[in-house]
Amino acid sequence: ETGVTQSPTHLIKTRGQQVTLRCSSQSGHNTVSWYQQALGQGPQFIFQYYREEENGRGNFPPRFSGLQFPNYSSELNVNALELDDSALYLCASSPNGGPRMDYGYTFGSGTRLTVV
Amino acid sequence: AQSVAQPEDQVNVAEGNPLTVKCTYSVSGNPYLFWYVQYPNRGLQFLLKYITGDNLVKGSYGFEAEFNKSQTSFHLKKPSALVSDSALYFCAVSLGGGYNKLIFGAGTRLAVHP
Repeated sequence: ETGVTQSPTHLIKTRGQQVTLRCSSQSGHNTVSWYQQALGQGPQFIFQYYREEENGRGNFPPRFSGLQFPNYSSELNVNALELDDSALYLCASSPNGGPRMDYGYTFGSGTRLTVV
Repeated sequence: AQSVAQPEDQVNVAEGNPLTVKCTYSVSGNPYLFWYVQYPNRGLQFLLKYITGDNLVKGSYGFEAEFNKSQTSFHLKKPSALVSDSALYFCAVSLGGGYNKLIFGAGTRLAVHP
């Protein structure tokens, strides 16, 4: 089975710009979560999508938004980029709305976003 | 508030020696506990989890962890460390069920020296 694929792998944006990150979930997984991992920190939950609807959100401002498509792939959009948005953005997928009992979530390799 | 603590930023161990990476948690309810490993420029790889049952769980690459409810701990262990085990290790907790985010610790860097 295929894993979780994220694109692009690296991205440099200017403060104030907008960015879109993409994630293809593992085959058969209808749940996608996004995490932000700042340098030297653990991943922080941004939001989760289940069957194309957001069903949970962390402490991130509304300029962080997302979409999930009928094929369960997903996008993370960030508007009005700030320097502190520089981080590794991780996408994770799982079946049926939550972590699998056997291995939790399957993570992609991430997109490294640098805001200058 | 739910939280996970990894009290050590870095753990140094000689190859062949046993290793322990510590994790404590604070959540309401019965937690699902996970350990993930991250290699440079890579995502997170699942190592092991505790959901219910035997407090000692065995995972990938010879790692194991012990769930201690009274001490709210879930320490990661390996009897004999390898240089290739050098990486960043994250403990995470979820409350399970439907939608449930993972709450991660800050991570512990494991350095295994030849």
